[in-house]
Amino acid sequence: DQQVKQNSPSLSVQEGRISILNCDYTNSMFDYFLWYKKYPAEGPTFLISISSIKDKNEDGRFTVFLNKSAKHLSLHIVPSQPGDSAVYFCAASTGANNLFFGTGTRLTVIP
Amino acid sequence: EPEVTQTPSHQVTQMGQEVILRCVPISNHLYFYWYRQILGQKVEFLVSFYNNEISEKSEIFDDQFSVERPDGSNFTLKIRSTKLEDSAMYFCASGGSFKWVNEQFFGPGTRLTVL
Repeated sequence: DQQVKQNSPSLSVQEGRISILNCDYTNSMFDYFLWYKKYPAEGPTFLISISSIKDKNEDGRFTVFLNKSAKHLSLHIVPSQPGDSAVYFCAASTGANNLFFGTGTRLTVIP
Repeated sequence: EPEVTQTPSHQVTQMGQEVILRCVPISNHLYFYWYRQILGQKVEFLVSFYNNEISEKSEIFDDQFSVERPDGSNFTLKIRSTKLEDSAMYFCASGGSFKWVNEQFFGPGTRLTVL
């Protein structure tokens, strides 16, 4: 099952700079996309979502961009803070149905 | 802020034994889910539950698995005869509120270890 892919297993960014996490999907039926943050031994924490009718959604330091033609979404975090260091998962669904998760990208924000 | 809770946090069992994992979803949510994550692998969907019945299940959710909502608050996952390969983190999630229609909120997980 490779319907949602995160090709970068890790990313390091200096504190204060922008973090860009990428995600690709293959199933054109997906109409809702979400980003989750996960610390070890904890459950995924919901960060931000976007519907397929939009191309951008912003919430504070977090912005998600969706490019439907490229089947690509990205999460921008600016400015990055050390507390943002975690594993970030993108997920996709059709409405309120089950989520398909990517493999995650480990973000390290260097103070 | 309401949260999904799960018990126990860690369950160790012998192969062939039955286990019940418990979850208390967020109270005004309508959809309930179980996911699992085997060490080093993706988070995988197991089953969704809506209106007191299973709405969707994956290939993983075979006859050894069952779910129940025995009362108005708890949501349980039962594994009838555990296998070594059932060792994983099991996450409960809930969603489908007025404010969060499509978002799912996850509990902290139960680590199941099958020996």
